[in-house]
Amino acid sequence: DAEITQSPRHKITETGRQVTLACHQTWNHNNMFWYRQDLGHGLRLIHYSYGVQDTNKGEVSDGYSVSRSNTEDLPLTLESAASSQTSVYFCASSGSLLGFYTFGSGTRLTVV
Amino acid sequence: DQQVKQNSPSLSVQEGRISILNCDYTNSMFDYFLWYKKYPAEGPTFLISISSIKDKNEDGRFTVFLNKSAKHLSLHIVPSQPGDSAVYFCAASARGGSQGNLIFGKGTKLSVKP
Repeated sequence: DAEITQSPRHKITETGRQVTLACHQTWNHNNMFWYRQDLGHGLRLIHYSYGVQDTNKGEVSDGYSVSRSNTEDLPLTLESAASSQTSVYFCASSGSLLGFYTFGSGTRLTVV
Repeated sequence: DQQVKQNSPSLSVQEGRISILNCDYTNSMFDYFLWYKKYPAEGPTFLISISSIKDKNEDGRFTVFLNKSAKHLSLHIVPSQPGDSAVYFCAASARGGSQGNLIFGKGTKLSVKP
């Protein structure tokens, strides 16, 4: 069955370290997204991609970067982790822009 | 400024009764609305959607109502079951415009008590 997987599920890192969160989907979806979920803020869009070599900034992109070298993967990199980036991160994909996103199970990141 | 607002952080209802979750939006370009459901330690899952050309969409126990003039939508769950206890996110997009991405509200935590 097609799926979308995120790794790791949990990560603790130190302030200033570079961290990469993985997202892999086997739906063959062109569109992929990264959101973060914080108490009191809901789900906020970090970066998104509509296809290979395409990346775009979302609402809260500062301190984050993504790259899209193939259809299946959209890794999210925190260039220099900050405590404000402690959050739960969700990756999603969709085959169209109609909003039928399929979400991964999330990565809980703690920056100490 | 928040474009999709869920003003009730939490809602508690008795099993078998109706749950009504509300959502307001400010962007008149939004033309597609969705509800997602999220259990702890899981990703959100799609529940139901509605296009702006409709004012109601029904799927089993779940019905979404859209009032475009008031920029308001609501999700009705009848009858509510304990398994419905989760966080519900309202989301919107402007498919025909530049904001094809989903904009989410902050979520409402529903607790259905047996």
